Amino acid sequence: EAQVTQNPRYLITVTGKKLTVTCSQNMNHEYMSWYRQDPGLGLRQIYYSMNVEVTDKGDVPEGYKVSRKEKRNFPLILESPSPNQTSLYFCASSLSGTGLHEQFFGPGTRLTVL
Amino acid sequence: GEDVEQSLFLSVREGDSSVINCTYTDSSSTYLYWYKQEPGAGLQLLTYIFSNMDMKQDQRLTVLLNKKDKHLSLRIADTQTGDSAIYFCAESMAPPVSSASKIIFGSGTRLSIRP
Repeated sequence: EAQVTQNPRYLITVTGKKLTVTCSQNMNHEYMSWYRQDPGLGLRQIYYSMNVEVTDKGDVPEGYKVSRKEKRNFPLILESPSPNQTSLYFCASSLSGTGLHEQFFGPGTRLTVL
Repeated sequence: GEDVEQSLFLSVREGDSSVINCTYTDSSSTYLYWYKQEPGAGLQLLTYIFSNMDMKQDQRLTVLLNKKDKHLSLRIADTQTGDSAIYFCAESMAPPVSSASKIIFGSGTRLSIRP
């Protein structure tokens, strides 16, 4: 089944404790992206990747890192999480980054930083 | 700057039509999308329209685009309980060279269905 998977689905952590949220897609998509969803703000893009070893900042990259060592995986790293990073995070992938191709979204990761 | 605006809530009676509205600011948009988010799930693309079209119909869904007013709407005919969700409007601009198309999402409209 074609899908985007994220792990964990739920995470409660404390300020400053490094964490990684994994994202994997099995559709051989070139483009992958991370968003955060906050009430009343819609989805805001954190980072995106056009292809392996090619990553770029989105609208709200501060406090986050990503890597794209393999085509299928695009982990989101919070080196020192803070309470303002409490949010619902979505990973997405699409065949290309042109906007022409549908973005497929993962199920979301709800992160709480205490 | 770029902005996509939607009202936050809409309540309709089952069987009626729902109309969800969206305004956007960037006139260079190439595609406009409607995504649906069901509780506890990610976003799922419902439909999209090219910016050179006025209307697109797909079964119960009708998308209307008024480029002059930068207004996009989604009409759901014969609204059912399964249509309860958050609906996101989004626009994308043509990508600059060697970069990705930027997709801007609205805040989402929560559609609730009453019996």
